[in-house]
Order: sequence, then structure tokens, then C-alpha cells
Amino acid sequence: DVKVTQSSRYLVKRTGEKVFLECVQDMDHENMFWYRQDPGLGLRLIYFSYDVKMKEKGDIPEGYSVSREKKERFSLILESASTNQTSMYLCASRVRRGLVSNQPQHFGDGTRLSIL
Amino acid sequence: AQSVTQLDSQVPVFEEAPVELRCNYSSSVSVYLFWYVQYPNQGLQLLLKYLSGSTLVESINGFEAEFNKSQTSFHLRKPSVHISDTAEYFCAVISDTGRRALTFGSGTRLQVQP
Repeated sequence: DVKVTQSSRYLVKRTGEKVFLECVQDMDHENMFWYRQDPGLGLRLIYFSYDVKMKEKGDIPEGYSVSREKKERFSLILESASTNQTSMYLCASRVRRGLVSNQPQHFGDGTRLSIL
Repeated sequence: AQSVTQLDSQVPVFEEAPVELRCNYSSSVSVYLFWYVQYPNQGLQLLLKYLSGSTLVESINGFEAEFNKSQTSFHLRKPSVHISDTAEYFCAVISDTGRRALTFGSGTRLQVQP
């Protein structure tokens, strides 16, 4: 089974801090994703990465950046945390099969981040 | 651009009753469709998917969904629910053109009561 591991289940930070959320997958997947989950809004894509050092903005990239230096690890960075970034953050990975996008995304258990 | 609408934010149902969770999508190209389930304090798990071929797809725990291209729908059904089916269910869509990441609906919370 695919294992996607997010480093923290719960995290509390202060406004203005630089926050790092880490995600590691063990299946050599090329594609990795960061989503934000809020009640009534479902999951919204923040950033995704096609492969090492490659990234693309999703629907809500403002206030976030990402890093993918190694294939197995995809980091989400909140440059200067604000209270409206309090949310559940979900990481996912997917194998790439050429140009076809129908492989399922596999999710971690999420990080519940509170910004005070 | 693709989008997904889940019409019901909450669906209460009694145990052993049938249930349908509705999902409609919007896309101008061919799509792949997924249903994911999220149990409390967990990430999302794949429930079932439509890629091509038969329009009726099934999961191992009794759920099924039917792809209806003319109505752009992918409703999820189960003929008899259990308490353990209580969870949030997300419909998602992706295509081979445009953005290569799933677009999710807002979710439907299924509450199974004894």
C-alpha cells in the first residue's frame, strides 16, 4: 500500500511565523499535491509538483510556497502565517502514467494547523 | 475549466435504509471521476472511480456509482447503509487536458442513525 506521511497531525503557530509542513511518500510517485480543507469548501488545491524541482500553482497559492528537492518529499511553506491560514492541510501523491491523469491520488492523514 | 457540485452538504439516514449522494460535474472534455471517503480524523481514501468502459462502478463495501454523460452526473448509491458508513464523501473530477490535479466538490456528510 502507498504510504503518505505528514510530519505533524496537529500544529500551533503564531501570526507572522514561517511555517513548514512536511510530506513524504514511499512509492516513488512523480506527482505530489498540497490541498487545504475547510468546512463547506471541500478541498482546494494550493500547489502541485509534477516531479523534482517542478511545481505549479493551484487555485489558492497566495501566502504559500513549496519545495521539492527530493522525489519523496514535498514541503509546504507559509511565508508569514496569518490567522486565515488556520485549516486542515492534506498532502497527496500519484504515480504518473505518461500523459494520462487517471491514476488515483493517495492522501496523508492531514495536518490540522492553528495560527494564533 | 472543470468543477464539481455536491448538492447536499448533509444527508441523515437511518441504518439499513438506501442512500444516494449526488454529484454533478462541469467539463468540456472527457473526464475521469472519483469518489473519496473521509472518516473522522483521517485523510481521504479512494472509494471508487470511473475511468472508461462500463458506466456502473462498484466498491468493495457495497457502494456503487453510475456515470451519466448526458446529465453530467456521478451519483453515489448504497442500497443499505451501516453505522460504520458515517463519514464525509467527496466527489472529484480530472481530465487529460488542462490542470492535472483533482478538482473536488464541497463534500457531503453522511450521518447514519440507529
